[in-house]
Amino acid sequence: DSGVTQTPKHLITATGQRVTLRCSPRSGDLSVYWYQQSLDQGLQFLIQYYNGEERAKGNILERFSAQQFPDLHSELNLSSLELGDSALYFCASSGPGTSREQYFGPGTRLTVT
Amino acid sequence: GEDVEQSLFLSVREGDSSVINCTYTDSSSTYLYWYKQEPGAGLQLLTYIFSNMDMKQDQRLTVLLNKKDKHLSLRIADTQTGDSAIYFCAELTTLFSGGYNKLIFGAGTRLAVHP
Repeated sequence: DSGVTQTPKHLITATGQRVTLRCSPRSGDLSVYWYQQSLDQGLQFLIQYYNGEERAKGNILERFSAQQFPDLHSELNLSSLELGDSALYFCASSGPGTSREQYFGPGTRLTVT
Repeated sequence: GEDVEQSLFLSVREGDSSVINCTYTDSSSTYLYWYKQEPGAGLQLLTYIFSNMDMKQDQRLTVLLNKKDKHLSLRIADTQTGDSAIYFCAELTTLFSGGYNKLIFGAGTRLAVHP
């Protein structure tokens, strides 16, 4: 158990809908990262937050957004969902001052029908 | 550019050693990682190596880094059926001058251990 929690574990929704994925980092970790794992794209970095502020953006679509709250949990919002958004979404966290060790949560499997 | 490549499949007999290979392109990478993903599970950080090291050993795991060839390998000694999983190689690359880093992953190597 990495100490990173994600909810829900599975999510099934229809095209055009909006969903919110939630992540709680390990105790004491200030950084949260979101990754998408799909069959055709592999594991892709989406976005990073550090202590409530956006730090870096990767291959994140404009339909997707994220935020990190004062209690350091993070939410990834996916809107206007398309079939191609079906994937595993992972959250990872790392300790203050360094992203050297990123610990991953169990992931949320999103299925868009 | 940023690219991490690894072979997609490896089959070994139980008790043998497994060697999973990876090549990367970003010469400025500071750390290189091996993650393990079991079916239906998240990614488990197995080990990582700093770019100025050649080798790191951790119990049954040995990581070798050839920085000149940008080649990384993971050796698992005495491979067990519980080692069957997908193994991802990743490099920590700097996004831009702000020093913010991200992990670039390979496609993963599926290790199958048979009796």
